[in-house]
Amino acid sequence: GQNIDQPTEMTATEGAIVQINCTYQTSGFNGLFWYQQHAGEAPTFLSYNVLDGLEEKGRFSSFLSRSKGYSYLLLKELQMKDSASYLCACMDSNYQLIWGAGTKLIIKP
Amino acid sequence: DAGVTQSPTHLIKTRGQQVTLRCSPKSGHDTVSWYQQALGQGPQFIFQYYEEEERQRGNFPDRFSGHQFPNYSSELNVNALLLGDSALYLCATTALVTDTEIRMNTEAFFGQGTRLTVV
Repeated sequence: GQNIDQPTEMTATEGAIVQINCTYQTSGFNGLFWYQQHAGEAPTFLSYNVLDGLEEKGRFSSFLSRSKGYSYLLLKELQMKDSASYLCACMDSNYQLIWGAGTKLIIKP
Repeated sequence: DAGVTQSPTHLIKTRGQQVTLRCSPKSGHDTVSWYQQALGQGPQFIFQYYEEEERQRGNFPDRFSGHQFPNYSSELNVNALLLGDSALYLCATTALVTDTEIRMNTEAFFGQGTRLTVV
């Protein structure tokens, strides 16, 4: 079956760095997405990886290893507004997004 | 350029009733996917519409049905509502871009969702 695993909850301090991991098993692979979702709001796109390696976009970076079925989202210089859920999603061979349950990130002053 | 719009934003229905939710895609997007998101969970795929046909379907009963119109907008219908159908219903739209032998799907843009409460 298809499965996406990520930690349920993480806590970090304002100004610090946090890494949110995601492992996946899907029928085929057409890329991995990270989305941010604030409580009560729709998910918003953060990053897309289809090739191995690191994609950097400002304070956020995303890494992919296809051979290991593994990705992480790295958030630097954490701000209070980064408190949200972070969703990992894989696109399978049918171009369908398979979603993880999300990681709730709590930022403390 | 309007993004993805969903209506209504909030809805309260009684168990056993029927509900219709609507989604207008982002300009240039022709594929609409519907998701159900229970509190504290990730989105669960319901189905996807392309060229007015249901292309893919998740593990949802036949009480969940949909439609896509020629202008690419879509409706989600749920019959015989159960208390467990209470959730945030998200619509996501994408555009399939063909590049010779490679079909790449752009990022999914989400609407703000419809919060359905069944009492």
